[in-house]
Amino acid sequence: AQKVTQAQTEISVVEKEDVTLDCVYETRDTTYYLFWYKQPPSGELVFLIRRNSFDEQNEISGRYSWNFQKSTSSFNFTITASQVVDSAVYFCALSEGRSQGNLIFGKGTKLSVKP
Amino acid sequence: DTEVTQTPKHLVMGMTNKKSLKCEQHMGHRAMYWYKQKAKKPPELMFVYSYEKLSINESVPSRFSPECPNSSLLNLHLHALQPEDSALYLCASSQDPTNSPLHFGNGTRLTVT
Repeated sequence: AQKVTQAQTEISVVEKEDVTLDCVYETRDTTYYLFWYKQPPSGELVFLIRRNSFDEQNEISGRYSWNFQKSTSSFNFTITASQVVDSAVYFCALSEGRSQGNLIFGKGTKLSVKP
Repeated sequence: DTEVTQTPKHLVMGMTNKKSLKCEQHMGHRAMYWYKQKAKKPPELMFVYSYEKLSINESVPSRFSPECPNSSLLNLHLHALQPEDSALYLCASSQDPTNSPLHFGNGTRLTVT
């Protein structure tokens, strides 16, 4: 069965600290997609990244970076030099090759960045 | 600003009321979705429309009735809801239904009294 685990319920850091949000997934499919979404207090889910199961290259986008490791079924997300505007709930999600947009979300990690 | 627009932003309704949630996108996406999110929980899929046809109904009670009048619009008709249906209702769209990234709206925060 497919499952996404975000073991960190809440993380609090001080501005400019680096922070890593963990995501571990389970799936029997060989073709699958992994996503990260950010949900600020306003409620909208903001798409951050999608990775397919055949592409293990790490990705960097500004202060954000992602580490995908199939060997450990993990897709971790690091924010470098965190800012107050990074405060939000972050969801990791999985969809399998044959699914139609049915995202399996983790429970989310609430990140608080304090000035 | 989100490219998926949901109205209203907030809705309070009684258990005997009939109301509708609306969602609109003009990105040419051919798949649209309704998700429900309870407080401090992840979103849960309710319905998927693919090329204007209902393709997934995640065993949602019939008091929720989706409608897709055209490729840009998605409605969710509500009737005889229960207080436990109070939640944030999120609409999303994607280029196609095969694992394209979902773009979400800001949601409608629904309270059933």
